[in-house]
Amino acid sequence: GAVVSQHPSWVICKSGTSVKIECRSLDFQATTMFWYRQFPKQSLMLMATSNEGSKATYEQGVEKDKFLINHASLTLSTLTVTSAHPEDSSFYICSARAGTSGRETQYFGPGTRLLVL
Amino acid sequence: RKEVEQDPGPFNVPEGATVAFNCTYSNSASQSFFWYRQDCRKEPKLLMSVYSSGNEDGRFTAQLNRASQYISLLIRDSKLSDSATYLCVVNRDDKIIFGKGTRLHILP
Repeated sequence: GAVVSQHPSWVICKSGTSVKIECRSLDFQATTMFWYRQFPKQSLMLMATSNEGSKATYEQGVEKDKFLINHASLTLSTLTVTSAHPEDSSFYICSARAGTSGRETQYFGPGTRLLVL
Repeated sequence: RKEVEQDPGPFNVPEGATVAFNCTYSNSASQSFFWYRQDCRKEPKLLMSVYSSGNEDGRFTAQLNRASQYISLLIRDSKLSDSATYLCVVNRDDKIIFGKGTRLHILP
């Protein structure tokens, strides 16, 4: 299947710093990527849909000024957690769709664990 | 009511047994369906797509019932390595909707 990478795989930072997470589609182009967050023992929560060349679409309750998304190319989307606080500590996962229309499949990156101290 | 609903479990099943999960979806406009598995502290991985005709991959069988709006996953001869959370995923328009997942524990 298609491969999606994320970098870094884990981050520990001090409260107030900004953290940038990269999501790359390695062997296909993705006009749309998705960013999720997952707290321990909870389900995946979609944060935003990242669209290449245009603004991201955020889910209700997700602050767009806090979680900056940039989808500058067909293979790269970035999520920046600005002024991170301990409550932002979570598992952040990106995904991208691959395949033909009607038979598209979602492939996930390996995730980034963020711990804010 | 959530758009995709699953029994959260956990299902505690002895090794070698057959286990079945169901998932219901509320929007009849849903177009495609998938089962993913997620291991603890890992990302979800695609297990199989679900087609109207049903599909089988080794010990795993997935079925879709559009009239009743449910999807099922059957695991035969369960292995310890099958222990995971199984996520039902529905694609509607451009949205991907996840169920909360069903936890499966295979007991030795």
